[in-house]
Amino acid sequence: GAVVSQHPSWVICKSGTSVKIECRSLDFQATTMFWYRQFPKQSLMLMATSNEGSKATYEQGVEKDKFLINHASLTLSTLTVTSAHPEDSSFYICSAREVDHEQFFGPGTRLTVL
Amino acid sequence: RKEVEQDPGPFNVPEGATVAFNCTYSNSASQSFFWYRQDCRKEPKLLMSVYSSGNEDGRFTAQLNRASQYISLLIRDSKLSDSATYLCAVNEGTYKYIFGTGTRLKVLA
Repeated sequence: GAVVSQHPSWVICKSGTSVKIECRSLDFQATTMFWYRQFPKQSLMLMATSNEGSKATYEQGVEKDKFLINHASLTLSTLTVTSAHPEDSSFYICSAREVDHEQFFGPGTRLTVL
Repeated sequence: RKEVEQDPGPFNVPEGATVAFNCTYSNSASQSFFWYRQDCRKEPKLLMSVYSSGNEDGRFTAQLNRASQYISLLIRDSKLSDSATYLCAVNEGTYKYIFGTGTRLKVLA
């Protein structure tokens, strides 16, 4: 299957700092990328959908100024958690999709905010 | 009512047992359905898509019941390696997937 990578795989940061997470599709061009968040023992919650070259579409309740998404190319999307706080600690997973194909998930990034 | 609901489990079954999970969805216009497997602290991996006619892949069988708005996953001859969380996902005709909370399965030796 297609490969999607995420970097970093885990990060620990101090409260108030910003953290950038990268999501790359390694062997296909991802017209759409998705960012999910998963708290322990809970489901994946879609945060936003990004299409290459356009602004991301955020789900209800997700602050777009706090979670900045950039999808500058067909193989790279970034999520920046600005001014992170302990309640932002979570497992962030991206997925990528070609047109009319299934989604492939990245391995996830575990964020811990102290 | 949640859009996609699953019994969180855990389902504890002995090796070799047959186990079935259901997943209900609220939007009757939902168009495609999937089962994912998620191991602890890992990303979900697609197990199988669910077709209207039902589909089988080795020990795994998935079925869709549109009238009652649920999908099911049957695992026969459970293996220890089947222990994981099984997530259902529903696509409502856009590219957006809605996931259930997952059902934890533990296969015991």
